[in-house]
Amino acid sequence: ETGVTQTPRHLVMGMTNKKSLKCEQHLGHNAMYWYKQSAKKPLELMFVYSLEERVENNSVPSRFSPECPNSSHLFLHLHTLQPEDSALYLCASSHNKGGVLDTGELFFGEGSRLTVL
Amino acid sequence: AQKVTQAQTEISVVEKEDVTLDCVYETRDTTYYLFWYKQPPSGELVFLIRRNSFDEQNEISGRYSWNFQKSTSSFNFTITASQVVDSAVYFCALSEAYSGGGADGLTFGKGTHLIIQP
Repeated sequence: ETGVTQTPRHLVMGMTNKKSLKCEQHLGHNAMYWYKQSAKKPLELMFVYSLEERVENNSVPSRFSPECPNSSHLFLHLHTLQPEDSALYLCASSHNKGGVLDTGELFFGEGSRLTVL
Repeated sequence: AQKVTQAQTEISVVEKEDVTLDCVYETRDTTYYLFWYKQPPSGELVFLIRRNSFDEQNEISGRYSWNFQKSTSSFNFTITASQVVDSAVYFCALSEAYSGGGADGLTFGKGTHLIIQP
């Protein structure tokens, strides 16, 4: 099994649909992340969960709703999306030991390619 | 605020040539990490290297080498004797010191699309 698994790999949805992206990590990490990758733009950090608590929310519209039921699973619930939300959504995990200089490397999944019609 | 600039949007070279990918960063912190990731067509980002701000030693790993220069806020990546399999998008990223309360994630540059022609 790969370290970080994302499903579905591809998703097409209408603006009125509700769908969810799923991420699962098998690395024993304690932090998980959602990034958005749009064409010709830097990866944008959306949400960070550390020890299952959300610690970062970079002004993401409420139509994106994250959920982290345990340290191995992360969801991104989608509803009433706009065409400009079409992008590759990448999940990542890391092991953070706590304290200064705590940034470990991120392990990424292959992403979920979302198309909003 | 932190920022990472990768000025080269796309680079195309012929196989076996050496190629350098530039990365310039901005941060107000004195303690930070720098990263390089590779994104092949399959989509996932593959970790290549992490360097902390206190360690300016250059690093070599096989055909890959990294030049960290704090004086110019640069963290450049060189591939020697490039191969077609090196074709990918390469991202430079920065993380400032964790200040308690949770992880910060990484700030990425826009990436450089490297094309190695046979």
